[in-house]
Amino acid sequence: AQSVTQLGSHVSVSEGALVLLRCNYSSSVPPYLFWYVQYPNQGLQLLLKYTTGATLVKGINGFEAEFKKSETSFHLTKPSAHMSDAAEYFCAVSVGSGYSTLTFGKGTMLLVSP
Amino acid sequence: NAGVTQTPKFQVLKTGQSMTLQCAQDMNHEYMSWYRQDPGMGLRLIHYSVGAGITDQGEVPNGYNVSRSTTEDFPLRLLSAAPSQTSVYFCASSLLNGGRYEQYFGPGTRLTVT
Repeated sequence: AQSVTQLGSHVSVSEGALVLLRCNYSSSVPPYLFWYVQYPNQGLQLLLKYTTGATLVKGINGFEAEFKKSETSFHLTKPSAHMSDAAEYFCAVSVGSGYSTLTFGKGTMLLVSP
Repeated sequence: NAGVTQTPKFQVLKTGQSMTLQCAQDMNHEYMSWYRQDPGMGLRLIHYSVGAGITDQGEVPNGYNVSRSTTEDFPLRLLSAAPSQTSVYFCASSLLNGGRYEQYFGPGTRLTVT
């Protein structure tokens, strides 16, 4: 069975600083990997995903993530944080060519200070 | 397209009461699922369906029933509500194919059981 670990339930950065949110996965087969963002009292929005091909994936709002098979990681980064980036971020994994079931990490709350 | 819609947005139940959370999508997606979100736990899969007439259990199915009589609708039933079912419930849908396609999430239903 697959699993996802997000290191750090809360991450604090200053506006303009680098954002790094960590995600490690466990899967016995090649995974599909996702980052979702949840703003307060809203549903989840897809930031980016890795399925096959290029390991550096660019998403919306200036975020990107790199799939590193050797490290079983899919860390999310953004060069310069904005106040509007404050939200909760979820890493998720899906395996197999059949169904679409996602297994989520526990989430990381990103706090951005002026 | 309205996307994925959920009703109600908020609900308060007494222990032992029953109710149905409604979920509908207008994108002709085969795959639909229900997740619950609890603080510090991420999203956990309750039940999912890969098409009309087909449902299966996820990670935390106890206390919940589902059915899928049409492609569009996937209601979640709580037979006898318990305080442990206090949570935010999200419905999601996607095309099939192992997570290659984006999952679209509804806005959520916030349920409190007293």
